[in-house]
This record gives sequence, structure tokens and C-alpha cells, in this order.
Amino acid sequence: TQLLEQSPQFLSIQEGENLTVYCNSSSVFSSLQWYRQEPGEGPVLLVTVVTGGEVKKLKRLTFQFGDARKDSSLHITAAQTGDTGLYLCARSSSNTGKLIFGQGTTLQVKP
Amino acid sequence: NAGVTQTPKFRILKIGQSMTLQCTQDMNHNYMYWYRQDPGMGLKLIYYSVGAGITDKGEVPNGYNVSRSTTEDFPLRLELAAPSQTSVYFCASSYSTFSLTNEKLFFGSGTQLSVL
Repeated sequence: TQLLEQSPQFLSIQEGENLTVYCNSSSVFSSLQWYRQEPGEGPVLLVTVVTGGEVKKLKRLTFQFGDARKDSSLHITAAQTGDTGLYLCARSSSNTGKLIFGQGTTLQVKP
Repeated sequence: NAGVTQTPKFRILKIGQSMTLQCTQDMNHNYMYWYRQDPGMGLKLIYYSVGAGITDKGEVPNGYNVSRSTTEDFPLRLELAAPSQTSVYFCASSYSTFSLTNEKLFFGSGTQLSVL
């Protein structure tokens, strides 16, 4: 299966807290993308990870690709209310070349 | 650059009515996609197109039709609206396929459709 499982599905935290969300698959994938979607808007690409063990940083966001390229994580340090949104991971289907999305993690950061 | 533009933003349909969701992009992208998004279900691919005159089914094509007469436009047609088609619809585009390159999708801002 090429399904992507994201956890947790919903996360509500206070501003300033740290958090990690996960994206897992039972199969190896060549690359993985993380998107963020704000209410009323379409998803916007945050990062693409390609190499097993790769770590990428985008300000307070740290993305990691698992060594076996079956999982990925997104860590946010000192969350802000502007981080509120739906975080989606996505991988390309080996059969069709199209993107397959996980079900998403909804993050709510309260002031 | 406008990017990907979708209209309308909101629509309410009665069961059995038909409508067309419009999508246009000004980035000269070859690939265009229609997704639907239901709560807790992520994004499901309805139809996609690899260029003008070429379309193909995605994961959930039943109840929908598409056409691609130009590079810029990719309308999605609902012929006989059903309550199960209540969803948020997103159009997206990319320059090439994800199997060869680390491409990215550019999304429109969505159409919220309710079928009552």
C-alpha cells in the first residue's frame, strides 16, 4: 500500500509550546512533501525531503526524513498562533506519478 | 501572477442540479488536477490532465467530468449533483509529473460546494 498515515489528527496547544507531527507509510518512497493549508485557502508547499536521514529547517519548523525513507516528522519550536492550520504530507505514487496525500494534522495554537 | 484561479468560491446546489467549477492558471503549466477535500480525509484526486486534450481519472472520478481544451483552463462538471458531492474542491497545477522531478503543486483557493 502507498497510504500515508498522519498523527495526530488534531492537536491543540498553547502559544510557545513545542510539537511534533508524524507521517508514516509501510512502503519506501523516493521523496516526501509537506504542505500547510490555512482556513479558506489551498495548501502551500513548505518543503520537499529526498534523502534518507535528511533534515531541513524553515525558521522554527524542522523537517526530518526517516533513514529508511518510510516516515517523516515535522517539529515546530515555540509555536505561534500563525502556525495554526492543516499540515499535509504527500508522496508521489510510483504507479501514476501523481501526489498522494495523508489525511492531515489540524493544528490549533491558542494565544 | 494570479497563479491558479477558481470560481465560484461558494455554491449551494439542489439534488439533481448540474454545475461547472471553473479553474484557470497563468503559469503555462502542463499538468492540472482536481481534488476534493472532506473533513479528516485529506485530498482525493478526482481527475487530472497532462496537457490540452488529454484527461484521465483519479481516485474518485464517479459523478464528475472534465475537459481540457486549452493549457490554461480545466473545468470540472457535476452533472447530477448528489449530497455525497458536498465537499471543498481544489484545482491545482504543476509544470511536470511527480515521478520524474521534485515538482510542487500550486493550488487555487477552493470552491465550497453544498448539495442539499
